[in-house]
Amino acid sequence: NAGVTQTPKFQVLKTGQSMTLQCAQDMNHEYMSWYRQDPGMGLRLIHYSVGAGITDQGEVPNGYNVSRSTTEDFPLRLLSAAPSQTSVYFCASRESGRAELFFGEGSRLTVL
Amino acid sequence: GDSVTQMEGPVTLSEEAFLTINCTYTATGYPSLFWYVQYPGEGLQLLLKATKADDKGSNKGFEATYRKETTSFHLEKGSVQVSDSAVYFCALSRGTTGANSKLTFGKGITLSVRP
Repeated sequence: NAGVTQTPKFQVLKTGQSMTLQCAQDMNHEYMSWYRQDPGMGLRLIHYSVGAGITDQGEVPNGYNVSRSTTEDFPLRLLSAAPSQTSVYFCASRESGRAELFFGEGSRLTVL
Repeated sequence: GDSVTQMEGPVTLSEEAFLTINCTYTATGYPSLFWYVQYPGEGLQLLLKATKADDKGSNKGFEATYRKETTSFHLEKGSVQVSDSAVYFCALSRGTTGANSKLTFGKGITLSVRP
């Protein structure tokens, strides 16, 4: 029962470096999303996807890219990391027609 | 736009105390309402939900009632335990398809329960 799996759990980057946060789910969920969690800000939606080949922007998309080539995977790319992207990132998925989200355990990113 | 407002935290209680965490929302139509819980070092997990007015969601001794007239979904528990120490998020969704399917979260509140 893997559910939603995120890697890596921890990452330290220097300003300007690029990296990809991986997210995979084994529940055949059509909907997948990325959130960032910052102190005092709650969770804010970065990007989401309602199915393979379809992505859309959320509340705070700048500085992040996503793609959805398969139902299972939804990677989040930082092309040029900035200190403002220091955060905890959560991937979440759900079934079509249901609102309940299932979350991964999170990826803590620090940009120096 | 949609928004969720939670009471300011953190909250510290003694074991067996009564808990209330306030949540109010702003949204058009008839959203579904949720409480999520995040235990230390983990992702969020659904605690309970309510999909229409006057519905009561319940789980693990926690309850919340969907009050359309006051646009509220306050979380309550009659007797908290140390194991309830976590961050609690109130959230809403206005649908299950398209843009309305996004969950909008409150800022979260940290609950600490002392033995």
